[in-house]
Amino acid sequence: DTAVSQTPKYLVTQMGNDKSIKCEQNLGHDTMYWYKQDSKKFLKIMFSYNNKELIINETVPNRFSPKSPDKAHLNLHINSLELGDSAVYFCASSKSRDRGIEQYFGPGTRLTVT
Amino acid sequence: GQQVMQIPQYQHVQEGEDFTTYCNSSTTLSNIQWYKQRPGGHPVFLIQLVKSGEVKKQKRLTFQFGEAKKNSSLHITATQTTDVGTYFCAVSGATNKLIFGTGTLLAVQP
Repeated sequence: DTAVSQTPKYLVTQMGNDKSIKCEQNLGHDTMYWYKQDSKKFLKIMFSYNNKELIINETVPNRFSPKSPDKAHLNLHINSLELGDSAVYFCASSKSRDRGIEQYFGPGTRLTVT
Repeated sequence: GQQVMQIPQYQHVQEGEDFTTYCNSSTTLSNIQWYKQRPGGHPVFLIQLVKSGEVKKQKRLTFQFGEAKKNSSLHITATQTTDVGTYFCAVSGATNKLIFGTGTLLAVQP
């Protein structure tokens, strides 16, 4: 009965590899997000999709590519991983894209690039 | 871009003491949300404030939005060990993009 789930929870990989993180929400929400939390706990928006349409694309290297096969899923693919990509990646969802709507976060994926 | 600063970065209190974290912006905010992240956990929504001077309470937590809508505070009365975590303020912009504050880590000693 998990609301927003992410897989994997932990990901350890070497520089140069390509990896994917998956996110699913069973809340029936229209909007999903990816956030990055760095080692200093700073949380920053990366992408957002509304009903499978990309609506937020922050200044993120194009090695990062989100994909939303349907409105319940939002995946994040990262090419040519770098040391600086090490962080916790959170998926989130909200009922709509309207300003001020509460967001529900997944448990996070801790990515370590060695 | 919009920046939201929080102070303090870290606060260590004895159980039973009060705690306050402040969120400041140089621009007028349309709204402010507060989230709590337990150690090793994920952000969890606490509340949203939208009106100038608004005050909301949740048990021992009191949230306030400044009159000029440029600052906000979260006050916890008589902290408990369950209050441990990082408290973030966040501003929701167009398309519900959240701009998070820098966070305040609260440690509570029993």
